[in-house]
Amino acid sequence: KQEVTQIPAALSVPEGENLVLNCSFTDSAIYNLQWFRQDPGKGLTSLLLIQSSQREQTSGRLNASLDKSSGRSTLYIAASQPGDSATYLCAGDAGNMLTFGGGTRLMVKP
Amino acid sequence: GAGVSQSPRYKVAKRGQDVALRCDPISGHVSLFWYQQALGQGPEFLTYFQNEAQLDKSGLPSDRFFAERPEGSVSTLKIQRTQQEDSAVYLCASSPGAYNEQFFGPGTRLTVL
Repeated sequence: KQEVTQIPAALSVPEGENLVLNCSFTDSAIYNLQWFRQDPGKGLTSLLLIQSSQREQTSGRLNASLDKSSGRSTLYIAASQPGDSATYLCAGDAGNMLTFGGGTRLMVKP
Repeated sequence: GAGVSQSPRYKVAKRGQDVALRCDPISGHVSLFWYQQALGQGPEFLTYFQNEAQLDKSGLPSDRFFAERPEGSVSTLKIQRTQQEDSAVYLCASSPGAYNEQFFGPGTRLTVL
């Protein structure tokens, strides 16, 4: 059974810092790895999807990498802003379901 | 052109009451998923539809949970005889097909008293 772990569980940084969120998964037989953002009381917003044949994806200040052999993915956020404050979730896609980590709660202080 | 929508956004039920949660996927999306998210945790898979066929219901926690998608579009998640442990946010997602990006609705927050 796939298990997904995210470290750290919570992170507080000053505005402007570059930061890395970590995601590890136990079963390398995933098709995709998807990163989401969740604001309090809201649904999930898809940030990046990395297909199993890819190693990274970039969107604006966000860059996500995938290393299937080691069972790891990282989300890099450059020049963090207070508006980036949210919970970030990674999820491994087995084709018919996403298995989520517990999330990293990020607070970016002005 | 709208995203995934869910209704109601909030539902308060007395223990033992039946509830029905609705999901309207993105038009044309073949795959539809239901997830349950407890407070402070990541979502957990409940069930998956491909068109009107329910291909996986392994995540449904008990036989009190039932989902349907009779015409391959709108889906309803029904919970019978609700219990306090059913309190959670129920998220619906749709995608163009398996192995594609999933798009989530805003969720229905269910509180069972």
